[in-house]
Amino acid sequence: GAGVSQSPSNKVTEKGKDVELRCDPISGHTALYWYRQSLGQGLEFLIYFQGNSAPDKSGLPSDRFSAERTGGSVSTLTIQRTQQEDSAVYLCASSPLGGNTEAFFGQGTRLTVV
Amino acid sequence: AQSVTQPDIHITVSEGASLELRCNYSYGATPYLFWYVQSPGQGLQLLLKYFSGDTLVQGIKGFEAEFKRSQSSFNLRKPSVHWSDAAEYFCAVGPGTASKLTFGTGTRLQVTL
Repeated sequence: GAGVSQSPSNKVTEKGKDVELRCDPISGHTALYWYRQSLGQGLEFLIYFQGNSAPDKSGLPSDRFSAERTGGSVSTLTIQRTQQEDSAVYLCASSPLGGNTEAFFGQGTRLTVV
Repeated sequence: AQSVTQPDIHITVSEGASLELRCNYSYGATPYLFWYVQSPGQGLQLLLKYFSGDTLVQGIKGFEAEFKRSQSSFNLRKPSVHWSDAAEYFCAVGPGTASKLTFGTGTRLQVTL
């Protein structure tokens, strides 16, 4: 597609439920990132996929968070047993490998846990 | 550990006035530096980036930024602000191109007419 696509754009869920957030990167981009943007905060790195390498999960805040990337393209971020502090905008970005390139961001999924 | 500081949480300028948004970073090696802009309800759009070479970089929408290694700064500037520039601006640093970034907490710009 023309850009990074994220779905849903908004998600309201009850505390304790599981949620899945989807990211479709730009076609051909080998790197994919998930960030979290909480109210009044900057962007917090969550996880990074690069080609077929093992993902960098160093930013995941707890074991309730997980992500996968199937076929080197679409990625799903799953949050289990959601808590109110998980409420945030979850942003996905992708970039090509190599060269002086930058990450292209999607519009994000706004997650509200009630 | 790398970090980015944007000391100004909120700035208000009049349309037509000049703008400077401050960014200081802490990084152990040669940094890759970025400025992104986020309009309400939108994702982040890259304004400009610095990898190497000329320390004054030009970006989109008339923005520029200057890398000053001695001051660990990468301040964003615009000579004349337009009302459409009202948004949140994020400075970021990273170790390379396709790599995870560390972002500042952002500066919200308000433009008065």
